[in-house]
Amino acid sequence: KQEVTQIPAALSVPEGENLVLNCSFTDSAIYNLQWFRQDPGKGLTSLLLIQSSQREQTSGRLNASLDKSSGRSTLYIAASQPGDSATYLCAARGSGNTGKLIFGQGTTLQVKP
Amino acid sequence: DAGVIQSPRHEVTEMGQEVTLRCKPISGHNSLFWYRQTMMRGLELLIYFNNNVPIDDSGMPEDRFSAKMPNASFSTLKIQPSEPRDSAVYFCASSLSGDLEKLFFGSGTQLSVL
Repeated sequence: KQEVTQIPAALSVPEGENLVLNCSFTDSAIYNLQWFRQDPGKGLTSLLLIQSSQREQTSGRLNASLDKSSGRSTLYIAASQPGDSATYLCAARGSGNTGKLIFGQGTTLQVKP
Repeated sequence: DAGVIQSPRHEVTEMGQEVTLRCKPISGHNSLFWYRQTMMRGLELLIYFNNNVPIDDSGMPEDRFSAKMPNASFSTLKIQPSEPRDSAVYFCASSLSGDLEKLFFGSGTQLSVL
């Protein structure tokens, strides 16, 4: 059974810092892995999707990497801004492609001005 | 496109009452997902439709929960009878296919069962 873990649960950094959010999964046979952002009281917004055959994806100041062999993904945020404050969730889709995404519990990020 | 539309945004009901949550996916998307989010359990997939057909309902917690997708533009999640432990945020999401595409989430329905 796939389990997805995100550590730490919460992170606070000063504005301008580069930071890394971690995601680990127990079953390396994933179809793809996706990073989401959730603002308080809102739904999830997809940030980056990495296919199992890819190693990384980039969008603006965000870079997500995937290492299937070690069961890890990271989300790198460059030059953090207060507007980046949110909860970030990673989700793994199983290789059976049933459509089932298994989510981590998320890391709540606070970027202080 | 207006995105995935869910209604109501908030629902407060008493234990034992029937609750119906509604979702309109993004036009053209052929996969629809219902998720539940709680502090204790995080985000859990309840049921997944592809081309209006339920593919995986293994996450539906009990027979009290049922979901339908009568056409490509509408889905409902019904809880009957509701219980306090059903209190959560229920999200609907859609994608162009169940395979490669990103999920697009609605804003959710905050359900409180008293």
